[in-house]
Amino acid sequence: EVQLVESGGDLVQPGGSLRLSCAASGFTFSSYWMSWVRQAPGLGLEWVATIKQDGSEKYYVDSVKGRFTISRDNAKNSLYLQMNSLRAEDTAVYYCARGAGWWDIWGQGTMVTVSS
Amino acid sequence: QSALTQPASVSGSPGQSITISCTGTSSDVGAYNYVSWYQQYPGKAPKLMIYDVNQRPSGVSNRFSGSKSGNTASLTISGLQAEDEADYYCNSYSTSSTRYVFGPGTKVTVL
Repeated sequence: EVQLVESGGDLVQPGGSLRLSCAASGFTFSSYWMSWVRQAPGLGLEWVATIKQDGSEKYYVDSVKGRFTISRDNAKNSLYLQMNSLRAEDTAVYYCARGAGWWDIWGQGTMVTVSS
Repeated sequence: QSALTQPASVSGSPGQSITISCTGTSSDVGAYNYVSWYQQYPGKAPKLMIYDVNQRPSGVSNRFSGSKSGNTASLTISGLQAEDEADYYCNSYSTSSTRYVFGPGTKVTVL
């Protein structure tokens, strides 16, 4: 079964850091672009970051540039999002999704809450 | 504030057809045929319904169709069913600094 499973979401104080992980299974992970998309409570979807198959290209939404880093380990079939200098407005469910531009497989999401 | 514009809500009776619009600019929707649509139930992950304006992934009902004219893309649901009641989001590639932009979402209600 094709599956993405996120983990790492937590309650963190403003200015803190968090690393999200996404474990892929059921498909050839190294053949796909991968992305993170988030959704703040009660609000819409927002694209966050995308990474090429070999990690050579990375793209970010302006609001996270310089604070978030997307990475992947193809040997471990895993995608990561390192989040630093977290702000209250980063509070959201973070989804791992397969693709770039359109996303055909989504994880169940992991909740990140930034609050003191 | 979303770069794309969608109606907040659309409703229809079972069996009817409804259309959800997604209006952007010549920098996103109008620039490329890279528009996709997602269905989302409360508390669930989004599901891809349409990609590349009018392509339907395997397993998605043919009651869902997509189109584009100029800077506006559209999702049409024909033969509306109770299970279609959900939120729908459009997305487009953009030449702006935000590479992929979503619309604010449209809540579809089946009367």
